[in-house]
Amino acid sequence: GAGVSQSPSNKVTEKGKDVELRCDPISGHTALYWYRQSLGQGLEFLIYFQGNSAPDKSGLPSDRFSAERTGGSVSTLTIQRTQQEDSAVYLCASGDGSSYNEQFFGPGTRLTVL
Amino acid sequence: ILNVEQSPQSLHVQEGDSTNFTCSFPSSNFYALHWYRWETAKSPEALFVMTLNGDEKKKGRISATLNTKEGYSYLYIKGSQPEDSATYLCALEDFGNEKLTFGTGTRLTIIP
Repeated sequence: GAGVSQSPSNKVTEKGKDVELRCDPISGHTALYWYRQSLGQGLEFLIYFQGNSAPDKSGLPSDRFSAERTGGSVSTLTIQRTQQEDSAVYLCASGDGSSYNEQFFGPGTRLTVL
Repeated sequence: ILNVEQSPQSLHVQEGDSTNFTCSFPSSNFYALHWYRWETAKSPEALFVMTLNGDEKKKGRISATLNTKEGYSYLYIKGSQPEDSATYLCALEDFGNEKLTFGTGTRLTIIP
């Protein structure tokens, strides 16, 4: 079946602009995660959605970052007033919540803030 | 904050040679250790999920071992091929915590 998809694959924006990144998880997966990888860094957890529960937002680096998941499926990560330090690859992953939290990743969105 | 470390940060290996690298993690509250391979311009792909101390898993030329008491896992690649070039990530799953904590990865380059 189809895997996790993300759009756009690349986004170049100017400092101060808002951006929206989209994630389409695997159909039926109840868990959805957002991560980012900045240059030279590991994968950094941002936010986690599980079913209808309140999301775990503990990884969001500032209040400029927000995410929502509509209808338990598609998720949008929004970054307001982008800064150069927001430049990174943003990865989405989904999981079916079964054994050992196996996560299936999308190809990522490479965000460059000029 | 969990500290998951991987070494080396990068590695160049001649085609045909075998290699290995390390993931170390805090062993308290351990639940599972995940290995992923992330090729350039592709999605990270799950390799192994390891849960039991002494576990050894194998997938083709790639294998991994786990020591939960001392908090480390090794990934081995036998007879490296150019298609093995990728970043290898390990991630710790703690008991009761559905988030994975990732290491910074080992970037492997196979030299033809």
